[in-house]
Amino acid sequence: KNQVEQSPQSLIILEGKNCTLQCNYTVSPFSNLRWYKQDTGRGPVSLTIMTFSENTKSNGRYTATLDADTKQSSLHITASQLSDSASYICVVSKGGGNKLTFGTGTQLKVEL
Amino acid sequence: DGGITQSPKYLFRKEGQNVTLSCEQNLNHDAMYWYRQDPGQGLRLIYYSQIVNDFQKGDIAEGYSVSREKKESFPLTVTSAQKNPTAFYLCASSISAQGLETQYFGPGTRLLVL
Repeated sequence: KNQVEQSPQSLIILEGKNCTLQCNYTVSPFSNLRWYKQDTGRGPVSLTIMTFSENTKSNGRYTATLDADTKQSSLHITASQLSDSASYICVVSKGGGNKLTFGTGTQLKVEL
Repeated sequence: DGGITQSPKYLFRKEGQNVTLSCEQNLNHDAMYWYRQDPGQGLRLIYYSQIVNDFQKGDIAEGYSVSREKKESFPLTVTSAQKNPTAFYLCASSISAQGLETQYFGPGTRLLVL
């Protein structure tokens, strides 16, 4: 079983709408949680990184939340744009190093 | 893609052939990583290097080899022992291999078997 589970697997929304992507993890001990955006055929780009003590972090129209007690995170995208179409990957780091466990991603498509 | 370059963008491998994927960074990062990405799966770590002349196996190192002779370069060789090499290969780097450092990814190399 994957230690980082993301939902939904895919999502289609209209331009200008908001959406929320979910991430549940079982990685332990927990160090930090990251969200990456990956355009098709490109490398992932970091959006946010949160430690145990942080419960929200924003990067422009992207806002990530973290509940370390329930081991859940969400990524909220506000006023979506066509350029937001991509895979959004939740990544969890174990305590003590920089080895990462990757989720399989949520494929987001923004349409006119 | 930051200051990380990967080449080639596409690579074709014949049966029994070794191929080498290039990864170069000009970010002065100590740590470098190689990942493999397959459809429907999360990225998996092949090898990583915390410093020049040092590297460790990741979760799926069998059939791969690396070297780290220079700080800026971390080439990955896919050997003939890797029976299912078709995948998207991503190189990444970070300031160090410690805790909160962001990993910056290159644009990737897609390897296909003829």
